[in-house]
Amino acid sequence: AQSVAQPEDQVNVAEGNPLTVKCTYSVSGNPYLFWYVQYPNRGLQFLLKYITGDNLVKGSYGFEAEFNKSQTSFHLKKPSALVSDSALYFCAVRDMEGWGTTDSWGKLQFGAGTQVVVTP
Amino acid sequence: NAGVTQTPKFQVLKTGQSMTLQCAQDMNHNSMYWYRQDPGMGLRLIYYSASEGTTDKGEVPNGYNVSRLNKREFSLRLESAAPSQTSVYFCASSEGGGWGNQPQHFGDGTRLSIL
Repeated sequence: AQSVAQPEDQVNVAEGNPLTVKCTYSVSGNPYLFWYVQYPNRGLQFLLKYITGDNLVKGSYGFEAEFNKSQTSFHLKKPSALVSDSALYFCAVRDMEGWGTTDSWGKLQFGAGTQVVVTP
Repeated sequence: NAGVTQTPKFQVLKTGQSMTLQCAQDMNHNSMYWYRQDPGMGLRLIYYSASEGTTDKGEVPNGYNVSRLNKREFSLRLESAAPSQTSVYFCASSEGGGWGNQPQHFGDGTRLSIL
């Protein structure tokens, strides 16, 4: 079964400082990994994804994420945070092992979310 | 450029009442999903439809039913609402059969309170 963990409920950072939001995952096979952002009273918006290839993935709004297979991590990063980056961030994983053989195959599993607060 | 549209945005029900949450997408996506979001639990999949004419249970289907009315529309029905179903409900859609590398596109949610 697949699972994803976001170990921090909240991350506080000053504007202009680097921002990191942590995500670790557990899958049987190769993972598809996603990051989404949610602003208040809105739906989730896609930021970036890792499918295969380069371990450093670049996405929307200056965000990037690094896939680390040995540590089973997919941390989201931004070199210089903005106040407007304050939002709820979700990591999600899709386990592609064993095509169609389990109930959880292919379904997107979301982490609990990390609230990011960027102060001026 | 509407994307995924959910109605209503807010609803208050009494225990035992029924209601249907509506969702429509204008991106010609094959796959559609219903999630619920509860504090500290992320999003949990209720039902999904990989393509028009098919629906399948997700992680938390009990107490819900769905209808894929056509390629654009996917509705979620609560037959007899319970306080445990108080939540924010999100509809999403994606290209392809839903199990590939395409991201999901979300509506802005329906905030449902059951008294």
